[in-house]
Amino acid sequence: GAGVSQSPSNKVTEKGKDVELRCDPISGHTALYWYRQSLGQGLEFLIYFQGNSAPDKSGLPSDRFSAERTGGSVSTLTIQRTQQEDSAVYLCASSPSRDRGVLEQYFGPGTRLTVT
Amino acid sequence: AQTVTQSQPEMSVQEAETVTLSCTYDTSESNYYLFWYKQPPSRQMILVIRQEAYKQQNATENRFSVNFQKAAKSFSLKISDSQLGDTAMYFCAFMTHSGAGSYQLTFGKGTKLSVIP
Repeated sequence: GAGVSQSPSNKVTEKGKDVELRCDPISGHTALYWYRQSLGQGLEFLIYFQGNSAPDKSGLPSDRFSAERTGGSVSTLTIQRTQQEDSAVYLCASSPSRDRGVLEQYFGPGTRLTVT
Repeated sequence: AQTVTQSQPEMSVQEAETVTLSCTYDTSESNYYLFWYKQPPSRQMILVIRQEAYKQQNATENRFSVNFQKAAKSFSLKISDSQLGDTAMYFCAFMTHSGAGSYQLTFGKGTKLSVIP
């Protein structure tokens, strides 16, 4: 079946502009994660959605970052007033449920964001 | 806070040989999970192997196996009979249940593995 998809694959934007990154999880997966991978670094947790529960936003680095998940499926990560330090690969992952999410996170191919 | 340390930024191995990637972690939790992920140039993170901390037996998946030393907080990955397709970044990751209710993965900075023909 189809895996996690993300769009766009690459995004170049000017400093100060807003950007939206999209994630389509695997159909039926209730848990969705966003991670950020800066150059030469491991992945950094940003935000977690589980069903209709309030999201865990503890990893968002600043109030310029926000995310929503509509209808329990597609998620959008929005970065306002982008800065050069926001340049990174943004990865999305989904899992079947909160419990099995412990063992099964399926990652998308990521969006490479470059802020000039 | 949990931390994951991978002390080898880069490694290389001859095709068909065996290589071991190191990982140490720090946590006060007693129940947690450990993972090795592979990230080829395509950027897709792929789960290689996982280990539940309460299991004493080391996990194995075909050519991949781990050496889990809970007391030492060490979790190394051994790749046997290395293949060219094993060339990738390898990330060690730790997971536990956060106070906010989610299961978060904490990653190390990765080891770049090159398999040489």
